[in-house]
Amino acid sequence: TQLLEQSPQFLSIQEGENLTVYCNSSSVFSSLQWYRQEPGEGPVLLVTVVTGGEVKKLKRLTFQFGDARKDSSLHITAAQPGDTGLYLCAGAWLGADGLTFGKGTHLIIQP
Amino acid sequence: EAQVTQNPRYLITVTGKKLTVTCSQNMNHEYMSWYRQDPGLGLRQIYYSMNVEVTDKGDVPEGYKVSRKEKRNFPLILESPSPNQTSLYFCASSPPGASVDTGELFFGEGSRLTVL
Repeated sequence: TQLLEQSPQFLSIQEGENLTVYCNSSSVFSSLQWYRQEPGEGPVLLVTVVTGGEVKKLKRLTFQFGDARKDSSLHITAAQPGDTGLYLCAGAWLGADGLTFGKGTHLIIQP
Repeated sequence: EAQVTQNPRYLITVTGKKLTVTCSQNMNHEYMSWYRQDPGLGLRQIYYSMNVEVTDKGDVPEGYKVSRKEKRNFPLILESPSPNQTSLYFCASSPPGASVDTGELFFGEGSRLTVL
């Protein structure tokens, strides 16, 4: 099983601040997804990135896939309390069946 | 409403008492999967199914069984539960034609299981 590291594990910041969370692997991803999970619910897909260097934006969220396809980042601009949740990255590697999830970043945005 | 439905949502049981967690999706998805989520360990795949009558082990299949007799249902069976199977379980499905690598996973709301 390939390993997928997420950092930081926990992050608590004030409303209005910017933040970045990271997802890294020593192997090349064939694709990578970011999910958000709220308490008492299942994860919900935010974005899928496939091409090295790809950047996707979802309102205040910016997702970047590394040029070498070994890492990805999620940047949130002007964080709001509604952004609070567990952010999970999930990677697929060539030849593997399905996705491997990272342990997640617990994000708390304080009003 | 398109959804993945799991039952029960909460269950407390005792060691050795067989139990089944049901999962049903109404989206005609071919791919279905079971995960367990534990603090510090994240989401780990237990079993998955590419289609009816086709199932495969994930990363942590020990102590679990599954079946896929119909496209919409994918029950998770714990024949003899043990305390180390105390966890939050999620069923997920993915649309027809989607790659297992890039297809969106639709998750149920989770089933919290406690084995005493």
